[in-house]
Amino acid sequence: EADIYQTPRYLVIGTGKKITLECSQTMGHDKMYWYQQDPGMELHLIHYSYGVNSTEKGDLSSESTVSRIRTEHFPLTLESARPSHTSQYLCASSSGDEQYFGPGTRLTVT
Amino acid sequence: AQTVTQSQPEMSVQEAETVTLSCTYDTSESDYYLFWYKQPPSRQMILVIRQEAYKQQNATENRFSVNFQKAAKSFSLKISDSQLGDAAMYFCAARTSYDKVIFGPGTSLSVIP
Repeated sequence: EADIYQTPRYLVIGTGKKITLECSQTMGHDKMYWYQQDPGMELHLIHYSYGVNSTEKGDLSSESTVSRIRTEHFPLTLESARPSHTSQYLCASSSGDEQYFGPGTRLTVT
Repeated sequence: AQTVTQSQPEMSVQEAETVTLSCTYDTSESDYYLFWYKQPPSRQMILVIRQEAYKQQNATENRFSVNFQKAAKSFSLKISDSQLGDAAMYFCAARTSYDKVIFGPGTSLSVIP
């Protein structure tokens, strides 16, 4: 399996809370991605980064923000969680063609 | 705009039989890559097979093979000798020179013992 990690794996949190989903990879990949995926549904790209200090918004509008201060770390932050943010969030990294995915964080906002 | 379509939301196959999952895509790029990813229940997404658009030969990885029809923009996945561990969501994906990967909606494959 790929060396890409996400924490927490599961999170239940109340409306209005600030949360940060962590993603780290030990492969030295320049490119990293965040996808949002509802159960059994397609993946939607919400953020990506081509390297340190590079971040871009993806195709799906998201109220989350990301940062890339270190190559191996690409955290995603929600300043004020809402029930509409309930979903699975997948992090991925790539050095070329193939993307390596983390195990995902399943977020529930009550 | 680049799009990927999977017309089969669900498929099932008997163990040891062969199944084909369909995928069509649309891109204006001449240089692109196509992928099939597998997402088992509650497990990480992994790459099953990849195809470079400039290669005419269909990619093969053990029991997995593709039928790449460039003119028709079709990229189907064939799984031979299906095993219980093949049960998963399968996503077709396309990547162009812009380095963004577009995923299809997925096909849920069940394997019947």
